[in-house]
Amino acid sequence: QVQLVQSGAEVKKPGASVKVSCKASGYTFTGYYMHWVRQAPGQGLEWMGRINPNSGGTNYAQKFQGRVTMTRDTSISTAYMELSRLRSDDTAVYYCAREAPGLYGDYDYWGQGTLVTVSS
Amino acid sequence: EIVLTQSPATLSLSPGERATLSCRASQSVSSYLAWYQQKPGQAPRLLIYDASNRATGIPARFSGSGSGTDFTLTISSLEPEDFAVYYCQQRSNWPPIVYTFGQGTKLEIK
Repeated sequence: QVQLVQSGAEVKKPGASVKVSCKASGYTFTGYYMHWVRQAPGQGLEWMGRINPNSGGTNYAQKFQGRVTMTRDTSISTAYMELSRLRSDDTAVYYCAREAPGLYGDYDYWGQGTLVTVSS
Repeated sequence: EIVLTQSPATLSLSPGERATLSCRASQSVSSYLAWYQQKPGQAPRLLIYDASNRATGIPARFSGSGSGTDFTLTISSLEPEDFAVYYCQQRSNWPPIVYTFGQGTKLEIK
């Protein structure tokens, strides 16, 4: 069965960087885009970007351009999201999500989420 | 960039009642619209894709409709487990590649 398992919670100071991992299993990792979506406490969902695990190509939301880097390691079926120059308003749960087959742009599987807390 | 506006922000209903949730796009998104359900402390769950197709394992009481700019999620008869937050989401049809979520509708027990 498809599973996306994310790394554990992180606490970071303002200005630092954080790198969250998402290990995929149960399907061909290189066959589906992987997205990153975040959710600040009590707020809605916010798209950060996506990576093509086959080519490594990325598309980032304009808001995060220059601060976010999405990578992957196909040998261990793992995607990564690194966010730099952290601020207090980056405190959120970060999710990886697999884009479903087809052209509709929806997400059929999600990771469990990783809480990133930014605090001095 | 396309903006998705969901209404109402909060919907108070009782089990057994019919729920109608709306999602309006600032410009046409064709039928590339999805709906998700999120419960506290959980990741979102895909309910509907391509505006009207139920995802695997989703009960028949959930249905989606609409195209262009106006979309609706209907829950025909609310079960206790349906009280949650619902989000619509779309993907841009042309560059730049952008995926957008609505701000959510909270469905609460009356």
